[in-house]
Amino acid sequence: EAGVTQFPSHSVIEKGQTVTLRCDPISGHDNLYWYRRVMGKEIKFLLHFVKESKQDESGMPNNRFLAERTGGTYSTLKVQPAELEDSGVYFCASSLDNSYNEQFFGPGTRLTVL
Amino acid sequence: QKEVEQDPGPLSVPEGAIVSLNCTYSNSAFQYFMWYRQYSRKGPELLMYTYSSGNKEDGRFTAQVDKSSKYISLFIRDSQPSDSATYLCAMSGFTGGFKTIFGAGTRLFVKA
Repeated sequence: EAGVTQFPSHSVIEKGQTVTLRCDPISGHDNLYWYRRVMGKEIKFLLHFVKESKQDESGMPNNRFLAERTGGTYSTLKVQPAELEDSGVYFCASSLDNSYNEQFFGPGTRLTVL
Repeated sequence: QKEVEQDPGPLSVPEGAIVSLNCTYSNSAFQYFMWYRQYSRKGPELLMYTYSSGNKEDGRFTAQVDKSSKYISLFIRDSQPSDSATYLCAMSGFTGGFKTIFGAGTRLFVKA
């Protein structure tokens, strides 16, 4: 069974540009989470989808970040316009349902904003 | 004050040593306590989780939770070079979902 996949693995963009990160969760997993680790800091929660609905977006840093999960399958996280402080590793995780389940993490997308 | 405090290390031990990793936390609403292992350029991988207080053992790994002290530990017995990784403590409580709060991670090196 394929795990959580993320694309691209690494993105380098200039300040002010737009970047879109993609996450494909494990098939059948209703719950999808986005997390971010910036340099020297801990991994922090961004938001949580249950199917196509945003359950909790309390961790989104500002309105330059837009997450979508159309059809309840894959999810995208768009940063527009990107700023230097957005650099970091963006992780996606999925879990089966809304009781406690193991969250399976993808390998992350390393975003560098120059 | 951070919700979860974890010494980032690095921690270097010889092969075969017992490793003790720990975290403290401040939010008494946390119910699930996890330890993740993360290798370089990989995502975190769940090692163990414990619900509420108590101990849990899985092979060479033992997790302990003391909710009264807001303190959790992970012990690794007979450590191996393959255990060299970053170990992240993490916690969650149901808030409509299970968003996870992570510690900073402890970098562990096990020398052969």
